[in-house]
Amino acid sequence: QQQVKQSPQSLIVQKGGISIINCAYENTAFDYFPWYQQFPGKGPALLIAIRPDVSEKKEGRFTISFNKSAKQFSLHIMDSQPGDSATYFCAASYNNDMRFGAGTRLTVKP
Amino acid sequence: GAVVSQHPSWVICKSGTSVKIECRSLDFQATTMFWYRQFPKQSLMLMATSNEGSKATYEQGVEKDKFLINHASLTLSTLTVTSAHPEDSSFYICSARPGTSGINEQFFGPGTRLTVL
Repeated sequence: QQQVKQSPQSLIVQKGGISIINCAYENTAFDYFPWYQQFPGKGPALLIAIRPDVSEKKEGRFTISFNKSAKQFSLHIMDSQPGDSATYFCAASYNNDMRFGAGTRLTVKP
Repeated sequence: GAVVSQHPSWVICKSGTSVKIECRSLDFQATTMFWYRQFPKQSLMLMATSNEGSKATYEQGVEKDKFLINHASLTLSTLTVTSAHPEDSSFYICSARPGTSGINEQFFGPGTRLTVL
């Protein structure tokens, strides 16, 4: 059972553009929503995270938008750079249960 | 802070042998550690959750006798793949959750690439 659905599967953006990745979850018990960035052959690294009591969180070029009623959240990468090319995973967590989305492979073209 | 290491970073073994992977939290105590498996171009799949000093909780479909997990201290967990076969070849990633953290944040290790010949 896929508890976190992520789209798109892959994304190509021009340098300087905005990258948008969307996720939807089913379990309303989830109370922590992180985004991870993973480069090939490396472990995931926490990028930014949000809790359901806020609708938006911004850290530098990265912004999470959260819609609790729709059970959806998204990652926006502003001014995308070639160095942002990686696979991004959203996740949803409650206590020790963390479920990952399928991942989005982002390519930022120079 | 919040650094998690894994050793080895890659390993090649023959079919039928056992392989042990270590996961250490370097600068914090981890009451809970997690083991994930990731196949190429796929997401992370949770294999098991372990709490220090107690038996690991395995996800459905993960063989307990094949993937032995030991969480002997607050900074070390080990995963032993017993009688490894080619289908066990994968990227194994551990994560650790600080005991003092008020949220569900997990810090991931760099992963171990296992290739079974």
